[in-house]
Amino acid sequence: SQKIEQNSEALNIQEGKTATLTCNYTNYSPAYLQWYRQDPGRGPVFLLLIRENEKEKRKERLKVTFDTTLKQSLFHITASQPADSATYLCALDVDTDKLIFGTGTRLQVFP
Amino acid sequence: NAGVTQTPKFRILKIGQSMTLQCTQDMNHNYMYWYRQDPGMGLKLIYYSVGAGITDKGEVPNGYNVSRSTTEDFPLRLELAAPSQTSVYFCASRGRATDTQYFGPGTRLTVL
Repeated sequence: SQKIEQNSEALNIQEGKTATLTCNYTNYSPAYLQWYRQDPGRGPVFLLLIRENEKEKRKERLKVTFDTTLKQSLFHITASQPADSATYLCALDVDTDKLIFGTGTRLQVFP
Repeated sequence: NAGVTQTPKFRILKIGQSMTLQCTQDMNHNYMYWYRQDPGMGLKLIYYSVGAGITDKGEVPNGYNVSRSTTEDFPLRLELAAPSQTSVYFCASRGRATDTQYFGPGTRLTVL
């Protein structure tokens, strides 16, 4: 069956450092991959989408890579700030209509 | 634009009771979704709709029903509440020309 894995352990980093989150998947060939941010008590908010023919995508301090051979995406936040503390979810398209979500990784940026 | 709105924000039900979770979007999106999120389990798709009058089952549809009589509204019905349905429920919508989903603020449901 299709499976998406994100590190369930929280990632704790110091302000100013680069945070790197991982999303691995199996039994799957997605056309694209998305990253969402979720704050406690709120719904997920879309951050970035990267397609299968793209290696890297950037938006301000965010960078996403997509390796379809390794079946892995990396999500980077450079110059991290305490306000970046949240849970980050990756999602893959199951078909043209639906997404499947990972369990998310909680990021904590401390001053 | 209000985006995606959900009501109620919180609800406590007794076993066997029924209720409807409301979801409305004002973005004229064709696609709408219902997810549940349990602690540490990620988002699981319950039902979805690709347009008014069309609904389909997701990964965990048992115990739920939906309808889509208008483009704006996509209510989720629980007929006989069970403790296993204790969760946070999120509604989302997507336009036909985009792959991005927009989520509502969620409804926290407890079944005792």
